[in-house]
Amino acid sequence: ETGVTQTPRHLVMGMTNKKSLKCEQHLGHNAMYWYKQSAKKPLELMFVYSLEERVENNSVPSRFSPECPNSSHLFLHLHTLQPEDSALYLCASSQVVLGANVLTFGAGSRLTVL
Amino acid sequence: DAKTTQPNSMESNEEEPVHLPCNHSTISGTDYIHWYRQLPSQGPEYVIHGLTSNVNNRMASLAIAEDRKSSTLILHRATLRDAAVYYCILSSIRAGANNLFFGTGTRLTVIP
Repeated sequence: ETGVTQTPRHLVMGMTNKKSLKCEQHLGHNAMYWYKQSAKKPLELMFVYSLEERVENNSVPSRFSPECPNSSHLFLHLHTLQPEDSALYLCASSQVVLGANVLTFGAGSRLTVL
Repeated sequence: DAKTTQPNSMESNEEEPVHLPCNHSTISGTDYIHWYRQLPSQGPEYVIHGLTSNVNNRMASLAIAEDRKSSTLILHRATLRDAAVYYCILSSIRAGANNLFFGTGTRLTVIP
């Protein structure tokens, strides 16, 4: 247990479904991130929230919609996804250690889109 | 963003030291060097980071070249639990930067 909790750990959804991934941290960190990890590809940074404001959005399709209601919670709302969106979605939070942002990751939510 | 180059894979015998190299020839003066690792079926975990000087912690040591264009992560005594993908990443120290971009990393296999 890293201190960053992701639910659900596994999710199977059809292309017309709407679902949400949840991330929670009680480490006192003030930045949170969503990354996507597809098979045989590097981790892709999707969204960054700092002090509950979105500061980075890496050209992610609008079918992925993030929400950060407070500094401890981060959601990724999913709608009308495609099979190629099947991947491991990783949440992280960060704190500054010796001048640099150090990330703590959750275990991930494994998404399968049928 | 400055890029890093790592070997795709490396092998090490158990209980021997491991030196994982990383090249970052376009590093800027404000970039930190980070190392993370990802064990099977887990999210990445932080290992170590540094700016100019060599760094040691309970997990590993980070040796940074004098010109900062390369660095080496040193595991002093590899165990089977160290088998993972190791990522070398650069991030800026400028205020407000929250940009850690991961590459493909080095897959370390530890042989019993």
